[in-house]
Amino acid sequence: DSGVTQTPKHLITATGQRVTLRCSPRSGDLSVYWYQQSLDQGLQFLIHYYNGEERAKGNILERFSAQQFPDLHSELNLSSLELGDSALYFCASSVSTGPIQYFGAGTRLSVL
Amino acid sequence: ILNVEQSPQSLHVQEGDSTNFTCSFPSSNFYALHWYRWETAKSPEALFVMTLNGDEKKKGRISATLNTKEGYSYLYIKGSQPEDSATYLCAFLVPRGGGNKLTFGTGTQLKVEL
Repeated sequence: DSGVTQTPKHLITATGQRVTLRCSPRSGDLSVYWYQQSLDQGLQFLIHYYNGEERAKGNILERFSAQQFPDLHSELNLSSLELGDSALYFCASSVSTGPIQYFGAGTRLSVL
Repeated sequence: ILNVEQSPQSLHVQEGDSTNFTCSFPSSNFYALHWYRWETAKSPEALFVMTLNGDEKKKGRISATLNTKEGYSYLYIKGSQPEDSATYLCAFLVPRGGGNKLTFGTGTQLKVEL
């Protein structure tokens, strides 16, 4: 167990809908990262938050947004969902901004 | 576009065999390279963070080397066991605006057979 908690584990929804994925980092970790794993693609970096502030952005779609709250948990909001958004979404956390990232178990999103 | 490439894509070995895989990355502006182990139905688990040219790290039967000048890292597994079956990912770290971006390779899928 990495200490990073993601909910829900599975999510099934329809095209056009909006969902929120939640991540609680390891105790004491200030950084939260979001990744997307689609079929036939490697882990794709979406966004990095550090202590409530956005620090780095990857190829995150405009339909997607994230935030990190004062208690350091983070949420990834996905809106106007398309079939191609079906993927495994991982959250990871680290103590600051440099070292090893600890991954949660992921949320599997299925858009039907 | 940053390219992180891993080879081979998949590998089947017998229990007790030693094996190695390669991660290639841009040789300029190197900051750090991460290795992760990802078992099916679990989350990626960090193995090593490598930062210096010539670095060699070891964890039990698994070790890794780093050559930043030529842009490659090798991961070695000595005496493979069935529990080593997993996908091994490398990731190139790029600092960006006070944050960090990890660019992952597509992984080497290792299957160790009895």
